[in-house]
Amino acid sequence: GQQVMQIPQYQHVQEGEDFTTYCNSSTTLSNIQWYKQRPGGHPVFLIQLVKSGEVKKQKRLTFQFGEAKKNSSLHITATQTTDVGTYFCAGNNAGNMLTFGGGTRLMVKP
Amino acid sequence: DAGITQSPRHKVTETGTPVTLRCHQTENHRYMYWYRQDPGHGLRLIHYSYGVKDTDKGEVSDGYSVSRSKTEDFLLTLESATSSQTSVYFCAISESGDRGVSQPQHFGDGTRLSIL
Repeated sequence: GQQVMQIPQYQHVQEGEDFTTYCNSSTTLSNIQWYKQRPGGHPVFLIQLVKSGEVKKQKRLTFQFGEAKKNSSLHITATQTTDVGTYFCAGNNAGNMLTFGGGTRLMVKP
Repeated sequence: DAGITQSPRHKVTETGTPVTLRCHQTENHRYMYWYRQDPGHGLRLIHYSYGVKDTDKGEVSDGYSVSRSKTEDFLLTLESATSSQTSVYFCAISESGDRGVSQPQHFGDGTRLSIL
């Protein structure tokens, strides 16, 4: 079945440093979604990418979808303590089902 | 946040006992999902529903059953709980996808289940 791998598993950064998490799928995706889960909370939808090579920005967050639609990345510029949490990618290649990556836990030192 | 309520929020039970978790939505979304979340595994799909009485298995369905008798309610049952089913369980909902593109999923607050 479809597998979605996400790296790194953990990342510690100093506040103000940049952060990137990478997502790779074993199969070509129809679309990819990104979620954020704060400690003790539930996953919250951030964004969806559909087109090959698509780049979307939300303030300090930049999301990219690879040309082959098998990989994606999330980059945060100048991290803040409010960015703390676990970031998940979730790939879709049929119907409404998502396969989630294992997540990247971001910790920010003030 | 989407109108999703999970109950109970916490439960401790013993091996071999039946357990039912409830997910209730007020959004009238067609799709409902049950996931389990364990350290190092992210979110894994247990079962999902695409309408009343329409359900299907996910990645980790063994030991679980589901029912959806009304649009707003999706029940997850562990017929005979085992310690390996200790986890955090999330319910999610979404609208129908369009032309092969999935829709965002909205999650409940989760149920922390411990099986001793």
